[in-house]
Amino acid sequence: AQSVTQLDSQVPVFEEAPVELRCNYSSSVSVYLFWYVQYPNQGLQLLLKYLSGSTLVKGINGFEAEFNKSQTSFHLRKPSVHIRDTAEYFCAVSGPDTGGFKTIFGAGTRLFVKA
Amino acid sequence: DAGVTQSPTHLIKTRGQQVTLRCSPKSGHDTVSWYQQALGQGPQFIFQYYEEEERQRGNFPDRFSGHQFPNYSSELNVNALLLGDSALYLCASSRPGLAGGETQYFGPGTRLLVL
Repeated sequence: AQSVTQLDSQVPVFEEAPVELRCNYSSSVSVYLFWYVQYPNQGLQLLLKYLSGSTLVKGINGFEAEFNKSQTSFHLRKPSVHIRDTAEYFCAVSGPDTGGFKTIFGAGTRLFVKA
Repeated sequence: DAGVTQSPTHLIKTRGQQVTLRCSPKSGHDTVSWYQQALGQGPQFIFQYYEEEERQRGNFPDRFSGHQFPNYSSELNVNALLLGDSALYLCASSRPGLAGGETQYFGPGTRLLVL
């Protein structure tokens, strides 16, 4: 069965430093990959998604992610974080291996940006 | 343009009771998915509704049921509530597209507490 592993439950980082949030998935077949952000007491908002094509995906708020098929990874990066980036980040996967319409989420990574 | 709305925002029930949660999708969207997010975890897919039919279901018991109305709004019903049903229930809407690859727009959620 398809699964998503977010390798870090919490990532503390200083403001203006770069950050990488790691995500691995289990499927060996074609997948669609997503990163969502959840601010306190809010729903999830899509940051970016990979469907096909270029392996480097750019999203909103200066985030980008790289799809690596051989390592089954989809790590999220930002070159310089702000205090307002403090939130919970979820990696997710869907596609034929999940039944088509089901999206499977990782457990989340809490990004804490310190001044 | 109103986004996805959910009601109520908070709910307290006791074990054994039944609950109905409501969701209105974003304008132009005809597909609604429901997720359960337990504290400290990622969202888990309950089911998806399209054209008033349940299109795909996650690993949830029959106590969880739903409905989609002709105006695309949706309800999630949970019978015989258990303490473990305490969670944030998220509704997400999307428009038809690449199966599993659509962008989902999430509501703020309904926080259910079962005592």
